[in-house]
Amino acid sequence: QVQLVQSGSELKKPGASVTVSCKASGYTFTNFVMAWVRQAPGQGLEWMGWINTNTGNPMYAQAFTGRCVFSLDTSVNTAFLQITNLKPDDSAVYFCARGSAFDSWGQGTTVTVSS
Amino acid sequence: DVVMTQSPLSLPVTLGQPASISCRSSRSLVYSDGDTYLSWFHQRPGQPPRRLLYKVSNRDSGVPDRFTGSGAGTDFTLKISRVEAEDVGVYYCMQSTHWPSFGPGTKVDI
Repeated sequence: QVQLVQSGSELKKPGASVTVSCKASGYTFTNFVMAWVRQAPGQGLEWMGWINTNTGNPMYAQAFTGRCVFSLDTSVNTAFLQITNLKPDDSAVYFCARGSAFDSWGQGTTVTVSS
Repeated sequence: DVVMTQSPLSLPVTLGQPASISCRSSRSLVYSDGDTYLSWFHQRPGQPPRRLLYKVSNRDSGVPDRFTGSGAGTDFTLKISRVEAEDVGVYYCMQSTHWPSFGPGTKVDI
C-alpha cells in the first residue's frame, strides 16, 4: 500500500535551516508529483508547492518562494523540503502529499522555531 | 489565486442525523478536460488529512457511503447521511483545477 513516511520533529533557532524528508513506498515514485502542505498551529492547510519527481522541477506557491527548496533523491524514493533563515512564524506541521490530488499524506513533521 | 470558502465554519451535529457542508470557489473549477477537480478531506486532531472524495463525488477506497459529494462550477456540497462519532474533526474542500487551494475548514463536533 502507498506510504509516505516523514522525518521526525525539529526544534530550530531563528536564522537556522531545516530539512524535512518524505520517503515514499508502495508505488512508482516518479509517477506522481510530491506536494508539500503547511499547517500552522490551530490553522488550516496551505499548499506550499510541489516537485515533479520525473524532472526534478519544483513549483512554489507564491507565499513560499525564496526560503523554501524542494528536492529529490529518486534512488531512495525520497522528497525533501528545506526551509532556510527560519523565523518563528515558520513553526508549523509540514506534510508531504502524493500527486496533484493529494490522495495519500505523510504523517506530518512538526517544526518549531524558537530562541 | 482561487479562493475557497466554506460554510458553516463550525457545525454541531447529532449522532444519527444528517449534516451538510458547503464549499464555494471564486472561479469555475471545470478544467479544460471537462473534469472538476474538487476534493474533500477529513482531519482528526493530531492526524494528517485523509481524502474522502475527489472530482466532486468519487469516494476514495474505504470511505463509507454515508459521505456524498455533489455540485458543479463554483458551488459544492459534502453531505453525511447519518453522522457517526468517528466523523468529528475538520473537513476541508480543496480545488486542484488551478494551482491548489484549500477552504478554511469546517469543524464538526457532537
